Amino acid sequence: DADVTQTPRNRITKTGKRIMLECSQTKGHDRMYWYRQDPGLGLRLIYYSFDVKDINKGEISDGYSVSRQAQAKFSLSLESAIPNQTALYFCATSGNTGGNNQPQHFGDGTRLSIL
Amino acid sequence: AQSVTQLGSHVSVSEGALVLLRCNYSSSVPPYLFWYVQYPNQGLQLLLKYTSAATLVKGINGFEAEFKKSETSFHLTKPSAHMSDAAEYFCALMNSGGYQKVTFGTGTKLQVIP
Repeated sequence: DADVTQTPRNRITKTGKRIMLECSQTKGHDRMYWYRQDPGLGLRLIYYSFDVKDINKGEISDGYSVSRQAQAKFSLSLESAIPNQTALYFCATSGNTGGNNQPQHFGDGTRLSIL
Repeated sequence: AQSVTQLGSHVSVSEGALVLLRCNYSSSVPPYLFWYVQYPNQGLQLLLKYTSAATLVKGINGFEAEFKKSETSFHLTKPSAHMSDAAEYFCALMNSGGYQKVTFGTGTKLQVIP
């Protein structure tokens, strides 16, 4: 979905490095999410934000932090990367107009490899 | 607690054959249910959603799914598989209780054999 842009698309780095993954959206949605995808495990929620002043931990937040710089921008940081954080990371957004059952819209992902 | 179970991590069908991808859910409140499709090197795209209006939901690309409360199922079907349907499919559940938490299944990779 071109309305949700993730940068970089691919990153290889070393253990102990600080990494930032960025997400920007033009959909005008208030709600933004970070997921990681691992083979056989589906998508797991890392952090979510319902507006600029609202940040919440997901099911696997340890080792990660986030920043919601503006309604359209939500970044994910790995302060000191470790190999088991190697995964495919997705940013998603959703609106709340029309009720709480709105689907999520995903970026194309960032493939992160930590050596 | 809510959960989603997708039976079969890999499914193979012949081109033109019926596609059936299984999804069962567990939820303490009436759920909203979604199917997403993921093509290689892309994010997830919405195929269809169930939000209690109708139990049989039609989506894009000829897919449909039926919500069966008694069986706690939301299986995805397509009468005739096409080569372009080869992808990974995810079933997802959203709690209707107010907070938009989404739980994803582990995914089913569909292979279409010519």
